[in-house]
Amino acid sequence: GAGVSQSPSNKVTEKGKDVELRCDPISGHTALYWYRQSLGQGLEFLIYFQGNSAPDKSGLPSDRFSAERTGGSVSTLTIQRTQQEDSAVYLCASSLDPNSPLHFGNGTRLTVT
Amino acid sequence: EDQVTQSPEALRLQEGESSSLNCSYTVSGLRGLFWYRQDPGKGPEFLFTLYSAGEEKEKERLKATLTKKESFLHITAPKPEDSATYLCAVPVYGNNRLAFGKGNQVVVIP
Repeated sequence: GAGVSQSPSNKVTEKGKDVELRCDPISGHTALYWYRQSLGQGLEFLIYFQGNSAPDKSGLPSDRFSAERTGGSVSTLTIQRTQQEDSAVYLCASSLDPNSPLHFGNGTRLTVT
Repeated sequence: EDQVTQSPEALRLQEGESSSLNCSYTVSGLRGLFWYRQDPGKGPEFLFTLYSAGEEKEKERLKATLTKKESFLHITAPKPEDSATYLCAVPVYGNNRLAFGKGNQVVVIP
């Protein structure tokens, strides 16, 4: 079956531009997570969705970051006015419920020049 | 604060040379410990969940074990295809998310 799909796989943008990253979770998975992975660092939690609501946004690093999820399915992570420190791989994961293992997509590699 | 520490950061093994990876954690009320494998350019792939001290899980050449303070991932007679970064994670107390270690980067040389 289809796994978690993320697009684009790579994104190069200029400092100050806005970017949108998309995640299509596994069908039927109610929990959806965004993580960020920088070189040499562990996975950094950004936000968690249960259905369409986001009970935990505590990992978003600044108000330039926002995310939404519609129809209990697709999620979009938006970064406004990108900065060079935003360069990283952004990973999306979904699970049947919060207690089940996460299934990750292959990520979007964001490079801010 | 919940923390996950993995050691060694990097490991080079000859094919067939068994070894172990360590994941130590400090967390209130452990609700499971997860092991993932990550290949370059890919997202992490789920391997095991362990829930209680003394529990063991096996998959091919990998065996994961759990104590009250740490977990080990044993790689028996590794092959080059076992080369990857292995990530350990625990649920954060009071939250529905995982805290990840920085990983063990394993290279198996033919």
